[in-house]
Amino acid sequence: AQSVSQHNHHVILSEAASLELGCNYSYGGTVNLFWYVQYPGQHLQLLLKYFSGDPLVKGIKGFEAEFIKSKFSFNLRKPSVQWSDTAEYFCAVKNSGGYQKVTFGIGTKLQVIP
Amino acid sequence: DTAVSQTPKYLVTQMGNDKSIKCEQNLGHDTMYWYKQDSKKFLKIMFSYNNKELIINETVPNRFSPKSPDKAHLNLHINSLELGDSAVYFCASSESGGRSYNEQFFGPGTRLTVL
Repeated sequence: AQSVSQHNHHVILSEAASLELGCNYSYGGTVNLFWYVQYPGQHLQLLLKYFSGDPLVKGIKGFEAEFIKSKFSFNLRKPSVQWSDTAEYFCAVKNSGGYQKVTFGIGTKLQVIP
Repeated sequence: DTAVSQTPKYLVTQMGNDKSIKCEQNLGHDTMYWYKQDSKKFLKIMFSYNNKELIINETVPNRFSPKSPDKAHLNLHINSLELGDSAVYFCASSESGGRSYNEQFFGPGTRLTVL
């Protein structure tokens, strides 16, 4: 069975600081990877996704993530955070075969202080 | 032009009652999902339907019964509500077929509070 672990449950940063949120998954086969964001009181929205090709993927709002297969990792990064980035961030993995069961990590709450 | 919509947005009810949450998507997707997000924000899949057929059924009490009248709708009926059912329930949809990298589009959520 696939699983996802997010190491940082609550991150507090000042504006303009750099961000890196860790995500590791466990699954023996080929996977597709996602980062979703949930702003306060809102639904989940896709930030970026990886399914093949260049392991460095760029998403919306200046976010990027790097897939490192040997480390089973898909860390999310942003060089300079803004107050509006305050949200909950979820890493998710989907096995590339069969039906589309997506497993989400427990989420990381990011708080950006002005 | 909401992509995935849910009703109601808020639902407050007494223990033991039966309630339903409705979900509709206008994206032309053929796969729909129900997720439960608990108070700690943990998001767990409950059910998934593909073309009205149940394809994922996680360990969920029998009191929860999904119904998909057509591929654009997936409703969730809950019998004999319990305090532990209090959560935010999210509906989502995606394309299926061989493109397993397709993202899921989420609805706004239904906050269920059981008193």
